[in-house]
Amino acid sequence: EAGVAQSPRYKIIEKRQSVAFWCNPISGHATLYWYQQILGQGPKLLIQFQNNGVVDDSQLPKDRFSAERLKGVDSTLKIQPAKLEDSAVYLCASSLQSGGASGELFFGEGSRLTVL
Amino acid sequence: AQSVTQLGSHVSVSEGALVLLRCNYSSSVPPYLFWYVQYPNQGLQLLLKYTSAATLVKGINGFEAEFKKSETSFHLTKPSAHMSDAAEYFCAVRSSNDYKLSFGAGTTVTVRA
Repeated sequence: EAGVAQSPRYKIIEKRQSVAFWCNPISGHATLYWYQQILGQGPKLLIQFQNNGVVDDSQLPKDRFSAERLKGVDSTLKIQPAKLEDSAVYLCASSLQSGGASGELFFGEGSRLTVL
Repeated sequence: AQSVTQLGSHVSVSEGALVLLRCNYSSSVPPYLFWYVQYPNQGLQLLLKYTSAATLVKGINGFEAEFKKSETSFHLTKPSAHMSDAAEYFCAVRSSNDYKLSFGAGTTVTVRA
């Protein structure tokens, strides 16, 4: 079974530039998550999708971050314009809708962003 | 809202020694608790989870954790550390009425030969 795919693995940009990350979840997983992991900290949820609808985006900085999951499968996270404090690893995860609150999240390897 | 606190950002153990990683949770409703492991440059992998069945949960790679409601704790242990256990470990909590998974700050484990 293929895992959660993310690209690019690494990206270096200058502040005020834009960047986009792509995620393809495990086939059949209805729920998709984007997490931000700053060095030395635990992952923080940015946005959660159920199929193509947003369940929770309360911690997404909406003035610069956007995310979409148009067809309920793969997803894109965009940052525009980037700030220095956006340097982090962006993790995508997916889970079965039927797994409920006790269900396991499956994580991709992450996209490491460095903003100079 | 639920949250977890991991005590100790770094733990160093000798190969063959006990590994003990501490996690305390805060939740107003019965929680679901998880331990994830992250190896360098990789995503997070589930070690084990507590879902209100047995309070002692066994996971992969010889790890286990015990849910103690009276102490609001979910500490992770392994009787004998192996070099391959060197990684970062995250405790996480989710409540039965909120699908949001909240992570602790993580504990980095170093294993000495």
